[in-house]
Amino acid sequence: KAGVTQTPRYLIKTRGQQVTLSCSPISGHRSVSWYQQTPGQGLQFLFEYFSETQRNKGNFPGRFSGRQFSNSRSEMNVSTLELGDSALYLCASSRGEETQYFGPGTRLLVL
Amino acid sequence: AQTVTQSQPEMSVQEAETVTLSCTYDTSESNYYLFWYKQPPSRQMILVIRQEAYKQQNATENRFSVNFQKAAKSFSLKISDSQLGDTAMYFCAFMKPTGTASKLTFGTGTRLQVTL
Repeated sequence: KAGVTQTPRYLIKTRGQQVTLSCSPISGHRSVSWYQQTPGQGLQFLFEYFSETQRNKGNFPGRFSGRQFSNSRSEMNVSTLELGDSALYLCASSRGEETQYFGPGTRLLVL
Repeated sequence: AQTVTQSQPEMSVQEAETVTLSCTYDTSESNYYLFWYKQPPSRQMILVIRQEAYKQQNATENRFSVNFQKAAKSFSLKISDSQLGDTAMYFCAFMKPTGTASKLTFGTGTRLQVTL
């Protein structure tokens, strides 16, 4: 069974731009969660989607948003990028409330 | 809110030796899950082991085992017969199943270096 995939793997943007990251979960998994990893703040939960509905959200500004499609694929969007948004963005999938399996991550650099 | 504490920022162990990574957590919940994840230099987060709080038996997975002390809120990871490929950041994580959402709360990680 294929694992969680994330695209793109690397991204360079400039301040003020917006970015969209994509995540395809393991087949049969309906929950997709997003995390931000930075050296200063560590791993922080962004949000979780289940059956196309956001059911949990972390403490991030409204510039961070996401959605989930009927095939469980998920996208997250960051608008008006700031230097502090430079991070590794990790996506994880699960069947529901169980073990989360992570993708390889997307490294975002904001210049 | 739940918190997870990993008090060892870095550890080193020689190949074939045994090492134990510490993790403590704070919660008022009685039912929850605990995990250890490994993040090698490739940055891929890999599940190492999982423990359900209602199970008294400590989880094991090949060379990896945990010492789960529910009353003490302690969840340490023991790696036996350490291998060079075990070199990675190790994160302890907590999840409270709510019936409507799932979210992992991570510790700050322990960087493990396995040496020859």
